[in-house]
Amino acid sequence: AQSVTQLDSHVSVSEGTPVLLRCNYSSSYSPSLFWYVQHPNKGLQLLLKYTSAATLVKGINGFEAEFKKSETSFHLTKPSAHMSDAAEYFCVVSNTGTASKLTFGTGTRLQVTL
Amino acid sequence: EAGVVQSPRYKIIEKKQPVAFWCNPISGHNTLYWYLQNLGQGPELLIRYENEEAVDDSQLPKDRFSAERLKGVDSTLKIQPAELGDSAVYLCASSPGTGGFETQYFGPGTRLLVL
Repeated sequence: AQSVTQLDSHVSVSEGTPVLLRCNYSSSYSPSLFWYVQHPNKGLQLLLKYTSAATLVKGINGFEAEFKKSETSFHLTKPSAHMSDAAEYFCVVSNTGTASKLTFGTGTRLQVTL
Repeated sequence: EAGVVQSPRYKIIEKKQPVAFWCNPISGHNTLYWYLQNLGQGPELLIRYENEEAVDDSQLPKDRFSAERLKGVDSTLKIQPAELGDSAVYLCASSPGTGGFETQYFGPGTRLLVL
């Protein structure tokens, strides 16, 4: 069994300040972990993914995430928020060793203010 | 490279009517997925195809939902008859292979409203 908990349903930051979106996972096996972003009326876009290589993963648009097995966490960060980062973010877990079956979190809505 | 294409983008129907959604995956992607996304929730898998074969349809409500993927390329998801609770976004995704590490590429979705 696998599951994901996104600890904040809504995060608000000022433009130029750091972003932290929190995610904890549960998996019986070696997990693959993903962050997807969804802008209004747009499809889901992959930001980054972890698949058992380097624990610090860099993604697109300046985002990165660190896999911490001891804490079962995969938090998403960005040093400086931009207005265009405002969107819904989903943390996703899959079982690396079997067929792809993504389990999504409930999402975190990021608001960026001037 | 073209992304996953879905049509229509929006659909409004009355309850008890049938409705169909179409998906064209990224060229060369053997695995295709249909997801259901309710408002304020993450997507949930309905069915997964490997080529023409539906290999995971455990979450598909088979009394009213059906899907097909003829020739292992395009796919159609159908609801008959639609109920009010079917109002949601239906997402199609594809991936090159089937491993748990594979990246799934999503289409823009079809937003269904059942009145």
